Amino acid sequence: AQKVTQAQTEISVVEKEDVTLDCVYETRDTTYYLFWYKQPPSGELVFLIRRNSFDEQNEISGRYSWNFQKSTSSFNFTITASQVVDSAVYFCALSDSTQGGSEKLVFGKGMKLTVNP
Amino acid sequence: EADIYQTPRYLVIGTGKKITLECSQTMGHDKMYWYQQDPGMELHLIHYSYGVNSTEKGDLSSESTVSRIRTEHFPLTLESARPSHTSQYLCASSEWEPRQPLHFGNGTRLTVT
Repeated sequence: AQKVTQAQTEISVVEKEDVTLDCVYETRDTTYYLFWYKQPPSGELVFLIRRNSFDEQNEISGRYSWNFQKSTSSFNFTITASQVVDSAVYFCALSDSTQGGSEKLVFGKGMKLTVNP
Repeated sequence: EADIYQTPRYLVIGTGKKITLECSQTMGHDKMYWYQQDPGMELHLIHYSYGVNSTEKGDLSSESTVSRIRTEHFPLTLESARPSHTSQYLCASSEWEPRQPLHFGNGTRLTVT
């Protein structure tokens, strides 16, 4: 069965610290997609990144970087030099084809990041 | 500027009332979804639609119903609200191609007293 685990429930850091959000997934499929979403206090989830299972290259976008390792079934997210605006709940999610052709997205339980000034 | 709109933003209502949560998107997306988010933050898919006149139940059993008469509109209805329905409801949409990112509205926070 597909499953996404975000072991950390809540993290609090001081501005300018680096912080890594862990995500471990389970799937029997060889083809799948992984996502990260950010949910600021305003409520809407904002898409950050999508990565397919055949692309293990790490990605960097400004202060954000993602480390995808199939060997450990992990897709970790690092924020460098965190800022107060990074305070949000972050969700890791998985989409594979085990649901009879429909593409249901399975979310982790979310991790609340608080960046203090 | 939001491309997917949910109304109302907040709703406090008494037990037994019928309510409809509205969701509209202007992106022409075929696929739309309703998620329920509990206080512990976890998201659960309760309904989805792949196009007009197509609706399916999600993973979490819900007493709500949905309809999809127009592409841009995907309302969710509770015939008789109960305190157990108190939650945040998030609507989302995505393009037709598989595994596309979801675009979310900013949610409706429902409290049933």
